[in-house]
Amino acid sequence: GDSVTQMEGPVTLSEEAFLTINCTYTATGYPSLFWYVQYPGEGLQLLLKATKADDKGSNKGFEATYRKETTSFHLEKGSVQVSDSAVYFCARLSGGYNKLIFGAGTRLAVHP
Amino acid sequence: NAGVTQTPKFQVLKTGQSMTLQCAQDMNHNSMYWYRQDPGMGLRLIYYSASEGTTDKGEVPNGYNVSRLNKREFSLRLESAAPSQTSVYFCASSDTSLGRRATQYFGPGTRLTVL
Repeated sequence: GDSVTQMEGPVTLSEEAFLTINCTYTATGYPSLFWYVQYPGEGLQLLLKATKADDKGSNKGFEATYRKETTSFHLEKGSVQVSDSAVYFCARLSGGYNKLIFGAGTRLAVHP
Repeated sequence: NAGVTQTPKFQVLKTGQSMTLQCAQDMNHNSMYWYRQDPGMGLRLIYYSASEGTTDKGEVPNGYNVSRLNKREFSLRLESAAPSQTSVYFCASSDTSLGRRATQYFGPGTRLTVL
């Protein structure tokens, strides 16, 4: 069935370091892809999304490009801040538009 | 515009007790969802409702029931709670008439502990 695989955490970085969190998805059709962020004690917030191949989603300095050839949607940020410390989830739509399949989540810790 | 709201925020139950988690959205979305979040497993879909009056099972429906009370409200019921149902529960909603652009918006969650 459809699935999403993302790199295991935790990822620990110093402030202003470059961030990459890898995400790959099973290639059933051309699903819409999402990154959600969960700050401590809170619910999930949409960070960015892409609905077709070669689309680039971006928000708050984060970017991810929908790569059909490699079935990937890696999350990147050029310079992380302590406030970016959170759990990041990659997800894809599946089975029409009513099912969102999540990766296991990657915890990011940014230190001053 | 409150988005998706959930009550309660925290709950402790004893094995065998029942309870209902409430969810409401004010975005006029047609679809609503219940997920559970467990460490290392991401979010898993319990039930969803594609429109008022319809409900369907997700990935992990056993031990749960749902009611789509109206377009705004979607409740999740545990009839006889078990320790395996200790989890964080999230409600979400979406406007699936947007097709590929449909996005799910999440509530703040309910942290449930079953002793």
